[in-house]
Amino acid sequence: AQTVTQSQPEMSVQEAETVTLSCTYDTSESDYYLFWYKQPPSRQMILVIRQEAYKQQNATENRFSVNFQKAAKSFSLKISDSQLGDAAMYFCAYKAAGNKLTFGGGTRVLVKP
Amino acid sequence: NAGVTQTPKFRILKIGQSMTLQCTQDMNHNYMYWYRQDPGMGLKLIYYSVGAGITDKGEVPNGYNVSRSTTEDFPLRLELAAPSQTSVYFCASSYGESNEQYFGPGTRLTVT
Repeated sequence: AQTVTQSQPEMSVQEAETVTLSCTYDTSESDYYLFWYKQPPSRQMILVIRQEAYKQQNATENRFSVNFQKAAKSFSLKISDSQLGDAAMYFCAYKAAGNKLTFGGGTRVLVKP
Repeated sequence: NAGVTQTPKFRILKIGQSMTLQCTQDMNHNYMYWYRQDPGMGLKLIYYSVGAGITDKGEVPNGYNVSRSTTEDFPLRLELAAPSQTSVYFCASSYGESNEQYFGPGTRLTVT
């Protein structure tokens, strides 16, 4: 079974600075998808960024970017120029074709003004 | 376009009671999912559906039932509520299994 591990329960960042969230996963598949979801206090799950495993280029969405290391099975999320609105739980998730979305345990991001 | 809607937002049940959590999506997505999120944890898949009339078990299906009579609706039924079912329940939908899943706002259920 696939597993997704987020080793940082909580990360703190100063406003306008950068924070990196770690995620590792275990799989024997070669073709799969990786996601980062944000869950603010409202509980709504919001997709932040998505990466296809067959793409070597790291995905970027505005201030959010990933460092995808396929051989190491690592998928970290970098939040640049952190804003107060970035404070939330962040979940890494994995999905292979024919399988279901598997979530990590989450990392809470605190943003200090 | 409302996306994925869930009712109710909150509910308190007594042990042994039954209830149905409603989920509706208006995006014509073929895939729909039910997850539960326990405190401080990620989401775990309860049941999913790949289209009307087709449902399958996820990781934690015990104590739950689902049906999918239409593309839009995917209700989750709890027959005999137990304290272990205290959780936040999320419904989600996607167009195809590899595409982004859109989540509803969640239902907080407490069983006492």
